[in-house]
Amino acid sequence: EAQVTQNPRYLITVTGKKLTVTCSQNMNHEYMSWYRQDPGLGLRQIYYSMNVEVTDKGDVPEGYKVSRKEKRNFPLILESPSPNQTSLYFCASSFTGGSYQPQHFGDGTRLSIL
Amino acid sequence: AQKVTQAQTEISVVEKEDVTLDCVYETRDTTYYLFWYKQPPSGELVFLIRRNSFDEQNEISGRYSWNFQKSTSSFNFTITASQVVDSAVYFCALSEKGYGGATNKLIFGTGTLLAVQP
Repeated sequence: EAQVTQNPRYLITVTGKKLTVTCSQNMNHEYMSWYRQDPGLGLRQIYYSMNVEVTDKGDVPEGYKVSRKEKRNFPLILESPSPNQTSLYFCASSFTGGSYQPQHFGDGTRLSIL
Repeated sequence: AQKVTQAQTEISVVEKEDVTLDCVYETRDTTYYLFWYKQPPSGELVFLIRRNSFDEQNEISGRYSWNFQKSTSSFNFTITASQVVDSAVYFCALSEKGYGGATNKLIFGTGTLLAVQP
Protein backbone atom coordinates (compact mmCIF):
# COMPACT_ATOMS: atom_id res chain seq x y z
CA GLU A 1 0.00 0.00 0.00
CA ALA A 2 1.31 3.43 -1.00
CA GLN A 3 1.85 5.50 2.09
CA VAL A 4 3.79 8.07 4.03
CA THR A 5 4.65 6.81 7.51
CA GLN A 6 5.51 9.09 10.41
CA ASN A 7 6.75 8.09 13.84
CA PRO A 8 5.95 8.66 16.57
CA ARG A 9 2.28 9.62 16.29
CA TYR A 10 2.29 11.29 19.70
CA LEU A 11 5.11 12.56 21.87
CA ILE A 12 5.24 14.54 25.08
CA THR A 13 8.70 15.74 26.02
CA VAL A 14 10.51 18.52 27.82
CA THR A 15 12.25 21.67 26.70
CA GLY A 16 15.76 21.13 25.39
CA LYS A 17 15.65 17.37 24.91
CA LYS A 18 16.60 16.58 21.32
CA LEU A 19 14.04 14.63 19.34
CA THR A 20 13.62 13.25 15.85
CA VAL A 21 10.38 12.60 13.99
CA THR A 22 10.88 10.06 11.25
CA CYS A 23 9.16 10.08 7.88
CA SER A 24 9.32 7.37 5.27
CA GLN A 25 7.52 6.96 1.94
CA ASN A 26 7.29 3.86 -0.24
CA MET A 27 6.25 5.52 -3.50
CA ASN A 28 9.73 6.38 -4.83
CA HIS A 29 8.81 10.07 -4.64
CA GLU A 30 11.52 12.62 -5.26
CA TYR A 31 9.91 15.45 -3.31
CA MET A 32 9.30 15.46 0.43
CA SER A 33 8.37 18.20 2.85
CA TRP A 34 7.38 18.96 6.44
CA TYR A 35 4.49 21.13 7.58
CA ARG A 36 3.24 22.18 10.97
CA GLN A 37 -0.43 22.78 11.70
CA ASP A 38 -1.49 25.32 14.33
CA PRO A 39 -4.99 26.52 15.22
CA GLY A 40 -6.00 29.57 13.22
CA LEU A 41 -2.89 29.35 11.03
CA GLY A 42 -3.55 26.33 8.83
CA LEU A 43 -0.50 24.39 7.69
CA ARG A 44 2.86 26.05 7.08
CA GLN A 45 5.87 24.53 5.38
CA ILE A 46 8.97 24.00 7.52
CA TYR A 47 11.48 22.40 5.12
CA TYR A 48 11.37 20.62 1.82
CA SER A 49 13.61 18.37 -0.25
CA MET A 50 13.59 18.17 -4.03
CA ASN A 51 15.71 15.00 -4.02
CA VAL A 52 18.43 13.15 -2.12
CA GLU A 53 20.91 15.54 -0.51
CA VAL A 54 18.88 18.58 -1.66
CA THR A 55 16.99 20.39 1.08
CA ASP A 56 15.79 23.95 1.55
CA LYS A 57 13.91 26.12 4.01
CA GLY A 58 10.20 26.66 3.89
CA ASP A 59 8.33 29.44 5.64
CA VAL A 60 8.99 28.51 9.28
CA PRO A 61 12.38 26.71 9.49
CA GLU A 62 13.68 28.22 12.75
CA GLY A 63 14.46 25.60 15.36
CA TYR A 64 14.32 22.65 12.95
CA LYS A 65 16.79 20.60 10.94
CA VAL A 66 16.27 17.99 8.25
CA SER A 67 18.36 15.58 6.24
CA ARG A 68 17.75 13.55 3.09
CA LYS A 69 20.35 10.82 2.85
CA GLU A 70 18.03 8.32 1.23
CA LYS A 71 15.16 8.90 -1.16
CA ARG A 72 12.55 7.30 1.07
CA ASN A 73 13.41 8.99 4.38
CA PHE A 74 13.15 12.61 5.48
CA PRO A 75 13.53 12.98 9.28
CA LEU A 76 12.68 16.19 11.11
CA ILE A 77 15.07 17.05 13.93
CA LEU A 78 14.40 19.38 16.84
CA GLU A 79 17.84 19.92 18.42
CA SER A 80 16.56 21.91 21.39
CA PRO A 81 12.77 21.84 21.45
CA SER A 82 10.85 24.72 22.98
CA PRO A 83 7.17 25.05 23.96
CA ASN A 84 6.40 27.14 20.85
CA GLN A 85 7.15 24.04 18.79
CA THR A 86 4.18 22.27 20.30
CA SER A 87 2.14 21.49 17.21
CA LEU A 88 0.77 18.88 14.85
CA TYR A 89 3.38 17.94 12.25
CA PHE A 90 2.82 16.44 8.82
CA CYS A 91 5.26 14.90 6.40
CA ALA A 92 4.28 14.93 2.73
CA SER A 93 5.66 13.59 -0.52
CA SER A 94 5.00 13.91 -4.24
CA PHE A 95 6.46 12.32 -7.35
CA THR A 96 8.39 15.46 -8.24
CA GLY A 97 8.61 19.06 -7.06
CA GLY A 98 6.25 20.28 -9.76
CA SER A 99 3.60 22.52 -8.31
CA TYR A 100 0.82 20.59 -10.03
CA GLN A 101 1.65 17.45 -8.08
CA PRO A 102 -0.81 16.60 -5.30
CA GLN A 103 1.04 15.78 -2.12
CA HIS A 104 0.46 12.63 -0.09
CA PHE A 105 0.45 13.28 3.63
CA GLY A 106 1.35 11.10 6.57
CA ASP A 107 -1.07 10.66 9.47
CA GLY A 108 0.57 13.39 11.52
CA THR A 109 2.68 13.59 14.68
CA ARG A 110 1.36 15.49 17.66
CA LEU A 111 4.23 16.97 19.67
CA SER A 112 3.85 18.54 23.10
CA ILE A 113 6.91 20.33 24.48
CA LEU A 114 6.60 21.10 28.19
CA ALA B 1 1.86 37.84 -2.00
CA GLN B 2 0.29 34.42 -2.06
CA LYS B 3 -2.59 33.99 0.30
CA VAL B 4 -5.58 31.71 0.77
CA THR B 5 -8.58 32.87 2.79
CA GLN B 6 -11.25 30.62 4.19
CA ALA B 7 -13.49 33.08 5.96
CA GLN B 8 -15.83 30.45 7.40
CA THR B 9 -14.21 29.10 10.54
CA GLU B 10 -17.03 26.70 11.44
CA ILE B 11 -20.21 25.60 9.71
CA SER B 12 -22.90 23.43 11.22
CA VAL B 13 -25.61 21.82 9.10
CA VAL B 14 -28.17 19.10 9.49
CA GLU B 15 -27.79 15.94 7.48
CA LYS B 16 -29.06 16.16 3.88
CA GLU B 17 -28.56 19.90 3.70
CA ASP B 18 -26.33 21.30 0.97
CA VAL B 19 -23.32 23.28 2.14
CA THR B 20 -20.76 25.44 0.36
CA LEU B 21 -17.27 26.07 1.67
CA ASP B 22 -15.71 29.28 0.43
CA CYS B 23 -12.10 29.77 -0.67
CA VAL B 24 -10.58 33.01 -1.96
CA TYR B 25 -6.95 33.19 -3.07
CA GLU B 26 -4.37 35.78 -4.00
CA THR B 27 -1.45 35.20 -6.34
CA ARG B 28 0.75 37.16 -8.72
CA ASP B 29 1.31 34.16 -10.96
CA THR B 30 -0.69 33.39 -14.09
CA THR B 31 -0.02 29.66 -13.69
CA TYR B 32 -1.02 28.14 -10.40
CA TYR B 33 -2.85 25.19 -8.92
CA LEU B 34 -5.60 24.98 -6.36
CA PHE B 35 -6.31 22.05 -4.09
CA TRP B 36 -8.85 20.93 -1.53
CA TYR B 37 -7.90 18.58 1.31
CA LYS B 38 -10.12 16.95 3.92
CA GLN B 39 -8.98 16.35 7.49
CA PRO B 40 -11.42 14.00 9.28
CA PRO B 41 -11.45 13.72 13.10
CA SER B 42 -8.80 10.99 12.88
CA GLY B 43 -6.36 13.71 11.75
CA GLU B 44 -4.96 12.60 8.42
CA LEU B 45 -5.07 14.82 5.34
CA VAL B 46 -6.90 13.45 2.33
CA PHE B 47 -6.45 14.94 -1.13
CA LEU B 48 -9.80 15.74 -2.79
CA ILE B 49 -9.16 17.73 -5.96
CA ARG B 50 -6.63 19.72 -7.97
CA ARG B 51 -7.44 22.52 -10.38
CA ASN B 52 -5.03 24.41 -12.66
CA SER B 53 -5.45 28.10 -13.39
CA PHE B 54 -6.26 27.53 -17.06
CA ASP B 55 -9.17 25.20 -16.47
CA GLU B 56 -12.26 26.99 -15.23
CA GLN B 57 -14.63 24.12 -15.82
CA ASN B 58 -16.61 23.16 -12.78
CA GLU B 59 -16.13 19.64 -11.58
CA ILE B 60 -18.53 17.20 -9.99
CA SER B 61 -17.63 14.00 -8.21
CA GLY B 62 -20.61 12.30 -6.66
CA ARG B 63 -21.99 14.62 -3.97
CA TYR B 64 -18.98 16.93 -4.26
CA SER B 65 -18.67 19.80 -6.70
CA TRP B 66 -16.18 22.60 -7.16
CA ASN B 67 -16.73 26.03 -8.67
CA PHE B 68 -13.59 27.80 -9.89
CA GLN B 69 -14.01 31.47 -10.85
CA LYS B 70 -10.86 33.29 -11.87
CA SER B 71 -12.69 36.61 -12.09
CA THR B 72 -13.35 36.54 -8.35
CA SER B 73 -10.27 34.45 -7.39
CA SER B 74 -12.49 31.88 -5.77
CA PHE B 75 -12.51 28.09 -5.66
CA ASN B 76 -15.59 27.07 -3.71
CA PHE B 77 -16.53 23.56 -2.65
CA THR B 78 -20.13 22.34 -2.38
CA ILE B 79 -21.32 19.18 -0.69
CA THR B 80 -24.81 18.15 -1.76
CA ALA B 81 -27.03 16.19 0.63
CA SER B 82 -24.42 16.26 3.39
CA GLN B 83 -23.83 13.22 5.58
CA VAL B 84 -22.39 12.79 9.06
CA VAL B 85 -19.26 11.25 7.50
CA ASP B 86 -18.58 14.60 5.81
CA SER B 87 -17.80 16.12 9.21
CA ALA B 88 -14.19 17.25 8.98
CA VAL B 89 -11.92 20.23 8.59
CA TYR B 90 -11.56 21.21 4.94
CA PHE B 91 -8.50 23.04 3.69
CA CYS B 92 -8.11 24.98 0.48
CA ALA B 93 -4.52 25.37 -0.76
CA LEU B 94 -2.59 27.15 -3.50
CA SER B 95 0.60 26.12 -5.29
CA GLU B 96 2.37 28.45 -7.69
CA LYS B 97 4.45 27.46 -10.69
CA GLY B 98 7.06 29.92 -9.54
CA TYR B 99 10.19 31.11 -11.26
CA GLY B 100 13.56 29.36 -11.36
CA GLY B 101 12.09 25.99 -10.52
CA ALA B 102 9.05 24.86 -8.66
CA THR B 103 9.12 24.02 -4.97
CA ASN B 104 5.64 22.54 -4.72
CA LYS B 105 5.00 24.55 -1.58
CA LEU B 106 1.36 24.56 -0.63
CA ILE B 107 -0.11 27.73 0.84
CA PHE B 108 -2.99 26.63 3.01
CA GLY B 109 -6.02 28.49 4.20
CA THR B 110 -6.89 28.27 7.88
CA GLY B 111 -9.51 25.61 7.26
CA THR B 112 -13.27 25.32 7.73
CA LEU B 113 -14.65 22.95 10.33
CA LEU B 114 -17.80 21.35 8.98
CA ALA B 115 -20.09 19.65 11.48
CA VAL B 116 -22.94 17.64 10.03
CA GLN B 117 -25.58 16.84 12.64
CA PRO B 118 -27.74 13.72 12.27
